[in-house]
Amino acid sequence: NAGVMQNPRHLVRRRGQEARLRCSPMKGHSHVYWYRQLPEEGLKFMVYLQKENIIDESGMPKERFSAEFPKEGPSILRIQQVVRGDSAAYFCASSPPRTSGSKSYEQYFGPGTRLTVT
Amino acid sequence: GQNIDQPTEMTATEGAIVQINCTYQTSGFNGLFWYQQHAGEAPTFLSYNVLDGLEEKGRFSSFLSRSKGYSYLLLKELQMKDSASYLCAVRGFTSGYALNFGKGTSLLVTP
Repeated sequence: NAGVMQNPRHLVRRRGQEARLRCSPMKGHSHVYWYRQLPEEGLKFMVYLQKENIIDESGMPKERFSAEFPKEGPSILRIQQVVRGDSAAYFCASSPPRTSGSKSYEQYFGPGTRLTVT
Repeated sequence: GQNIDQPTEMTATEGAIVQINCTYQTSGFNGLFWYQQHAGEAPTFLSYNVLDGLEEKGRFSSFLSRSKGYSYLLLKELQMKDSASYLCAVRGFTSGYALNFGKGTSLLVTP
């Protein structure tokens, strides 16, 4: 059973360009979360999605950031007009549906995408 | 909101026991998680507590006291490969069970 997949693993963008980060959840998982980890900081929740629905984007910056989880294909985190402050590691996590019987619904993390804005 | 505190760094000797503490303040509590994160890698799940008490899993144990807003992760028989960052995370009832993480404790295991 493949784990959570993220690509690319490393992404370099110049200021003003767009960054697209992709995440494929574990098989059978219908919940996707995006987190951002800045240097020397903890992981910060950004957005929670289910298929074709954004459930909670309270942690997402109001401008330039968007996320989607289409019916087919991976979840996408999109950052428009990147700035140096967007340089960080972006992690995607997935968890099973609430009806799965899992006691903890723990989140499984992907390897992350390290974004560097030059 | 939620506030999670844990020590920034700890050092321990190979073969020893180390306890990493975590205190939290939260408006809604729905479980506490510990993750391990090696540099440049993904966090990996270690333990989950939602009721008071001790959960043991091999060399790792985790304790929770909800009334005190306190948890600890206990690592026994330390190995060099245990050098990593240990993340305490609290789950609430909002944001679809999203996790609120502390800044992590960087553990260095020395020979």
